[in-house]
Amino acid sequence: DVKVTQSSRYLVKRTGEKVFLECVQDMDHENMFWYRQDPGLGLRLIYFSYDVKMKEKGDIPEGYSVSREKKERFSLILESASTNQTSMYLCASSLRGRRGNTIYFGEGSWLTVV
Amino acid sequence: AQSVTQLGSHVSVSEGALVLLRCNYSSSVPPYLFWYVQYPNQGLQLLLKYTSAATLVKGINGFEAEFKKSETSFHLTKPSAHMSDAAEYFCAVSSTDSWGKFQFGAGTQVVVTP
Repeated sequence: DVKVTQSSRYLVKRTGEKVFLECVQDMDHENMFWYRQDPGLGLRLIYFSYDVKMKEKGDIPEGYSVSREKKERFSLILESASTNQTSMYLCASSLRGRRGNTIYFGEGSWLTVV
Repeated sequence: AQSVTQLGSHVSVSEGALVLLRCNYSSSVPPYLFWYVQYPNQGLQLLLKYTSAATLVKGINGFEAEFKKSETSFHLTKPSAHMSDAAEYFCAVSSTDSWGKFQFGAGTQVVVTP
């Protein structure tokens, strides 16, 4: 089975702090994604990466950056956390190359910014 | 651009009754469509997907969905609800490019009453 692991399930950070959310997948997938989930808005794509050191902006990249130094690891960075970034963050991965490839999700990281 | 619309943010069903969750899509090319389920405090799990083979797709846990091109719909059904079906359900469509991005609906929360 594909496993996508998000190292931190629950975090509480202060406004202005730099926050790192880490994600690791064990299936050699080329694609990795960071989504944000908010009630009534579904999942919104923040960034995705289709290869090591490659990244593309999603629908809501403002206030976020990402890092992919190794194929299996994709990090989301909040340079200066703000209260409107309180949310559930979901990491995901998939094989590259076909539109119908399934996206596999981690269990999510709940971030509260106070 | 691809998009999906889920009708109804909350659905309440009695145990043993039919579960029907509605999803309509918009796509400029033949779509690849997915249903995911999210149990409380967990990530998303694939229920089923349509990738242009059979129009009636069977998934896990007794769920199925029918692709209807004429109605641009991909509704999810289960003949008899179980208490364990209480969760949030997301419809998604794969983007037109090969990068593997999805557009998700806003989600439907299912409550199952005894």
